[in-house]
Formats: sequence, C-alpha cells, structure tokens
Amino acid sequence: EAQVTQNPRYLITVTGKKLTVTCSQNMNHEYMSWYRQDPGLGLRQIYYSMNVEVTDKGDVPEGYKVSRKEKRNFPLILESPSPNQTSLYFCASSTSGLAHLKYFGPGTRLTVT
Amino acid sequence: LAKTTQPISMDSYEGQEVNITCSHNNIATNDYITWYQQFPSQGPRFIIQGYKTKVTNEVASLFIPADRKSSTLSLPRVSLSDTAVYYCLVGDRGDDFGNEKLTFGTGTRLTIIP
Repeated sequence: EAQVTQNPRYLITVTGKKLTVTCSQNMNHEYMSWYRQDPGLGLRQIYYSMNVEVTDKGDVPEGYKVSRKEKRNFPLILESPSPNQTSLYFCASSTSGLAHLKYFGPGTRLTVT
Repeated sequence: LAKTTQPISMDSYEGQEVNITCSHNNIATNDYITWYQQFPSQGPRFIIQGYKTKVTNEVASLFIPADRKSSTLSLPRVSLSDTAVYYCLVGDRGDDFGNEKLTFGTGTRLTIIP
C-alpha cells in the first residue's frame, strides 16, 4: 500500500531537548516536504527536498533542520525545541513539484513545555 | 507565488450541491489549481486538479473560467462525511522544477447539516 508514515504520532517534550520526527515513504518519490499546522494559520511549509541531498527552506524554517540521505526518508530535527514549536506536523511526498498529487502522512502532534 | 483567498466557512444541508470558490488573481501561466480535503487530525487528501475549463472525477468537479483568476470546487449531493476543511492550492506543477515553495491558505471549513 502506498503510504507516508511518520513517527512518533504524539510527542510531549521539554524545552531544549533535541528530538527527531521521522518520515518515510514507499512510493519512490523524489519530492518530500514538511509542514506545520496551527489554528487559524493553515498549513505552512517548513522545508522541502527535491531529491537525495537536495533540500531547501520553506516559509517557516527557523528552529528546524532536515536531511535527505536516502530517497525514502526525510527526518525533521528540532535541535532545541521551544514552546512556539508546539504544533501538528505533516510530512508529504510526491513524484514532482508543487501542485502535483501529494501524499500526506498521518501527522505528528508535538507539545513542547 | 499565487496567493489564494477562500471563504472561511460554509454550511450546507445533506443532499445539496456545494460550491466553494477560490480567488487567485496572480495565477501564473504555468500554475495548476489543486484542491485538498482535510479531516481533523489527519493529513490533507488530494481531491482534484485542473488547469483550465472543467475537470471532473468520481468525487468532485472543478470549474475554471477563461481568465483563471478563480476556481470553483463543486461537491455533488454532500453527506455528513463531507464535513471537513477544503484547501485551494495554486502552484507550478514542478515538471520543470519551478518554484518548489508551497503554502496552503487557511482553507474553507465546510459543515454539512443533517
């Protein structure tokens, strides 16, 4: 089954404790991206990757890092989480570009206290 | 990057046809229009995509006028399970690796009333 998986689905952590949210897709997609969703703000893009070792900033990259060492994986790293990073995070993948068909993961709800 | 404007919310009764309009005055020549549906605590789900005129699939139709400055998502005979947030997205399809940055707007919260 074609899918995007994220782990963990729920995470409560404390300020400053490094964490990683994993994202994996089994469709051999080149393009992967991370979004955060906050009430009243819709979905905002954090980082995206057009292929292995190719990543770039989205609209809200501050406080986040990503890496793309393998085609199927695109982890999101928070080196020093802060309470304003409390949000619902989605990973997405597609065969190419922006408006093309996208597959979204189930989401990771992160709370930073 | 084309900015989109949608109504914040809409209500409709079961069985009716629902039309949600999205404005995108700055749409570029290479931009496509895509609509997504999102249920609470789930990732967005692709509904339909188009470039011009009309596109129809098994769940919805998309109407795009000649000037492409707006588009209308049409959901026929809605049911309670169509209650969700609907996002209009405009951007380069990326076939030529155009601008890959992408931001969803705030969407339209559709509530279906029994």
